[in-house]
Formats: sequence, structure tokens, C-alpha cells
Amino acid sequence: DVKVTQSSRYLVKRTGEKVFLECVQDMDHENMFWYRQDPGLGLRLIYFSYDVKMKEKGDIPEGYSVSREKKERFSLILESASTNQTSMYLCASSLDGPAHGGTEAFFGQGTRLTVV
Amino acid sequence: AQKVTQAQTEISVVEKEDVTLDCVYETRDTTYYLFWYKQPPSGELVFLIRRNSFDEQNEISGRYSWNFQKSTSSFNFTITASQVVDSAVYFCALSEGIQGAQKLVFGQGTRLTINP
Repeated sequence: DVKVTQSSRYLVKRTGEKVFLECVQDMDHENMFWYRQDPGLGLRLIYFSYDVKMKEKGDIPEGYSVSREKKERFSLILESASTNQTSMYLCASSLDGPAHGGTEAFFGQGTRLTVV
Repeated sequence: AQKVTQAQTEISVVEKEDVTLDCVYETRDTTYYLFWYKQPPSGELVFLIRRNSFDEQNEISGRYSWNFQKSTSSFNFTITASQVVDSAVYFCALSEGIQGAQKLVFGQGTRLTINP
């Protein structure tokens, strides 16, 4: 079974702190993603990566950065946490697929981040 | 731009009732993929089904069935004889492929509560 593991289920951080959310997948997937989930808004893509050291902005990249130094690990970084970044963060991975993206994504259990 | 709309924010039914979750999408692509995911209280999104744009056959898997109609840009999900374990948030998603990476555009989600 594919396993996507996020380092923390719950985090509480202070405004202005630098926050690292870690994600590891064990199935040699090329693609990795960070989503943010908020009530009434569904999941929104923050960043994704289709190869080591490659990254692409998603729909809401502002205030975030990412790092992918190894294929299995994809980190989301909040450079200076703010209260509006309080949310559920979900990491996902998928195999490389056809041009129109037909492979399903596998998700981690989520990290609920509270910024106070 | 790609868009997925799940107009039903919350649905509550009594166990054993049938329930249909609606999903309407917008895309300019002629080739695309549609997905349904289930998010139980544990938080991890679970893949349910994938459908490509050239396959309009309805699909049935046990108590679950899906109705894909390109003419109305809809991909609805029906649970027959619902059970308490079906209680979850359900997301419909549309894929946008970039270099083989799957970028999913999610709907807002429908929270389904099955009451005993």
C-alpha cells in the first residue's frame, strides 16, 4: 500500500515563526503536492513538484515555499506564520501519468496547524 | 479555468436511505479525468473512483454508483442503502495534467451524515 506520512497531526505556532511541515512517501512517486483545506473552500493547491528539486506554484502560493531535495520528501515552509494560515494541510503523491493527469493521488492524514 | 462545484454543503439522511451527491464541473479540455474522494473523520482522503472523459459508462461498485454525463458536465455519486460508516466529507475533483503531474481541482465538498 502507498503510504504518505505527514510529520505532525497537530501543530500550534506563534505568529511570525518559521514553520516546517514535512511529508514523506514510500512508493517512489514522481509527483508530490501540498494542499490546504478550509471549510467551504474545499482543497486548494499551494505547490507541487514533479521531480526532485523541481517545484511549481499552485493556486495559492503566497506566504509559502517548498523544498524537495529527495524524491520521497516534500516540505512545506511558512516563512513567517500568520493567523490566516491556520488551516488543515494535506500532502499527496502520485505516479507520473499521461499528459492529462489520469493517475490518482494518495493523501497523508493531514496536519492541523493553528497560528496564534 | 477549471472549476468543480458541489452545491450541497451538507446532507443528512437516515440509515438505509439512498442519497445522491451532485458534482458539476467546467473545463475547456477535451481530455480530462474526474475523481471522487472520501474524507472520514480521521482526515485522510481516500480515493473512490476515477473516470476519463471518453468513458461515459455508469459504474457500480457495491452500494456505490456513479453517473457521468458530459452533456450536462456532471459526475454524480449515489450511495444506495446508506450506512452510518458512510458518514464523511466527499469531494469531487477534476484533474489538470501538467507534464504528467496530476493537479487536482476540488469542489467544496459535501458533508454527509447518516443517522442511525
